[in-house]
Amino acid sequence: NAGVTQTPKFRILKIGQSMTLQCTQDMNHNYMYWYRQDPGMGLKLIYYSVGAGITDKGEVPNGYNVSRSTTEDFPLRLELAAPSQTSVYFCASRYRDRGEKLFFGSGTQLSVL
Amino acid sequence: AQTVTQSQPEMSVQEAETVTLSCTYDTSESDYYLFWYKQPPSRQMILVIRQEAYKQQNATENRFSVNFQKAAKSFSLKISDSQLGDAAMYFCAYRTPLMDSNYQLIWGAGTKLIIKP
Repeated sequence: NAGVTQTPKFRILKIGQSMTLQCTQDMNHNYMYWYRQDPGMGLKLIYYSVGAGITDKGEVPNGYNVSRSTTEDFPLRLELAAPSQTSVYFCASRYRDRGEKLFFGSGTQLSVL
Repeated sequence: AQTVTQSQPEMSVQEAETVTLSCTYDTSESDYYLFWYKQPPSRQMILVIRQEAYKQQNATENRFSVNFQKAAKSFSLKISDSQLGDAAMYFCAYRTPLMDSNYQLIWGAGTKLIIKP
């Protein structure tokens, strides 16, 4: 069982470059999420999706975009990377029912220099 | 606004002993969920234990148990018979059913747990 798979695991970007962080899950989860974790902090929600074709902003969406064309995939796009986007990014998914736990990917460590 | 506070940046415990990690939260809601997540050096977040506020009984998962004090807004995690594999960052998190779809958990800053062999 693969669960939630994120690629790449590490990436260094130059200021102004763009990239896409990939996330895929094989559990047929409706809900998918992108979080960022800054050093010494908990997670902050960037974007989320409740199903294919439906996305919405979270707490810190500026500088990011997402799409959800299939149930399995939820890529996160960074346009014009800035040093403030240096962080560890986590993708997560869960079932629709209330109170259900999140399943996390192993994260992408991104540095913008 | 809801907040979650973990006042212990770092804790250490001897292998096989018991350790308690503290978490307090602030909310005006009566229905909510509380979670402890573990983040080992591999980075992947793993749910350790979950508590529903309407349940008075403290949640237990094998060696992990919580002391949920709703009136005091306290949610501590007790790890019994500590093992080397328990070494990790531990995060306390909160959410309400109002946040059901966007799952905007409110996170504490984390406690680093060190296990001494």
